Amino acid sequence: KNEVEQSPQNLTAQEGEFITINCSYSVGISALHWLQQHPGGGIVSLFMLSSGKKKHGRLIATINIQEKHSSLHITASHPRDSAVYICAVQTSGSRLTFGEGTQLTVNP
Amino acid sequence: NAGVTQTPKFQVLKTGQSMTLQCAQDMNHNSMYWYRQDPGMGLRLIYYSASEGTTDKGEVPNGYNVSRLNKREFSLRLESAAPSQTSVYFCASSYPPLHFGNGTRLTVT
Repeated sequence: KNEVEQSPQNLTAQEGEFITINCSYSVGISALHWLQQHPGGGIVSLFMLSSGKKKHGRLIATINIQEKHSSLHITASHPRDSAVYICAVQTSGSRLTFGEGTQLTVNP
Repeated sequence: NAGVTQTPKFQVLKTGQSMTLQCAQDMNHNSMYWYRQDPGMGLRLIYYSASEGTTDKGEVPNGYNVSRLNKREFSLRLESAAPSQTSVYFCASSYPPLHFGNGTRLTVT
């Protein structure tokens, strides 16, 4: 079993829908990262969380440390949100372990 | 612009050839990383460096060496390339949060 599991692997939505991507992990962590990888391959950091909730524009990330679970929500989804969303957990020191990613496609 | 600069963008090698992937960041970050990304497997850590002068193995270090000569630069060397090393390689640095280079697409024939 991977240390970091994401679901779903693939997600197709219609423009305007509310989207949730989930990340579960099995190890103790110091922080959790959400990343976005564009179709061209570039990777951008969206959030880093150690507790609670963060919001940036239409994106919201939450984490429940006791449950070892995090969610990434996208409100009022748009075709430009189409990308791969990756969860990564930070364990001892600087070490990071990544989930396999969720491919999101938002259709107009 | 501030960020992580990774070179080259593309490289084709023959089995047994060697090469070095270069990575530099100008954000004064302590931590730097090398990852490879393969279809269906996500990003896997090859090596990381928590600070200048230190390096540690990640999940898939075999066949690679790294060098953190100074705070800015973290290079990845393939001494004798193998077809299994065909992949997309990403360098990253972290204060945090994470900043990624644009990737190197390496093909070993």
